[in-house]
Amino acid sequence: NAGVTQTPKFQVLKTGQSMTLQCAQDMNHNSMYWYRQDPGMGLRLIYYSASEGTTDKGEVPNGYNVSRLNKREFSLRLESAAPSQTSVYFCASRTGTEMPNSPLHFGNGTRLTVT
Amino acid sequence: AQSVSQHNHHVILSEAASLELGCNYSYGGTVNLFWYVQYPGQHLQLLLKYFSGDPLVKGIKGFEAEFIKSKFSFNLRKPSVQWSDTAEYFCAVNAAGNTGKLIFGQGTTLQVKP
Repeated sequence: NAGVTQTPKFQVLKTGQSMTLQCAQDMNHNSMYWYRQDPGMGLRLIYYSASEGTTDKGEVPNGYNVSRLNKREFSLRLESAAPSQTSVYFCASRTGTEMPNSPLHFGNGTRLTVT
Repeated sequence: AQSVSQHNHHVILSEAASLELGCNYSYGGTVNLFWYVQYPGQHLQLLLKYFSGDPLVKGIKGFEAEFIKSKFSFNLRKPSVQWSDTAEYFCAVNAAGNTGKLIFGQGTTLQVKP
């Protein structure tokens, strides 16, 4: 049981380049999330998908887009990377809105550097 | 909009000292509350959670937290810390009316000296 799998683990981009971070979960969870983690800022929610077919903005959505490809996969796209997007990105999933107290399961993170 | 505030950014304690980390949230309705821990080099793991019932909840590794609704607080406690508790701790809130959106606080780095 792999849980939440993120790819890639590391990435270096030049300003203006684009890329997609991939996330897949094999726990049959309905809800999926993308967070970024920065020193002193904690985890900030970028986008989330409460259920397959829906996506919503979180706290810091500017500069990002997401796609809930199917129940398992939730990708995060940077169309034109900026140095301010240098961060560690975490994908997470949980059972869903029918169980509001269900905990998040996190992937191992993607460390992105934009030069 | 819901938000979460953790007052202590960096805490340094000696082994066997008692720990209390503050967490306050802003949301007027019913909430679900969580504490997560991130050990060095690892991803976040659930420490404990509250969603209803007894406001004093117990989690793993001797941690507990108390939900005080009138103070909008969910403080984390441990009577006696160990060196292995060195980690970053995050409080998170999920408004019951919008169960998809889980918001985290800024985090508190705990350093326990042996």
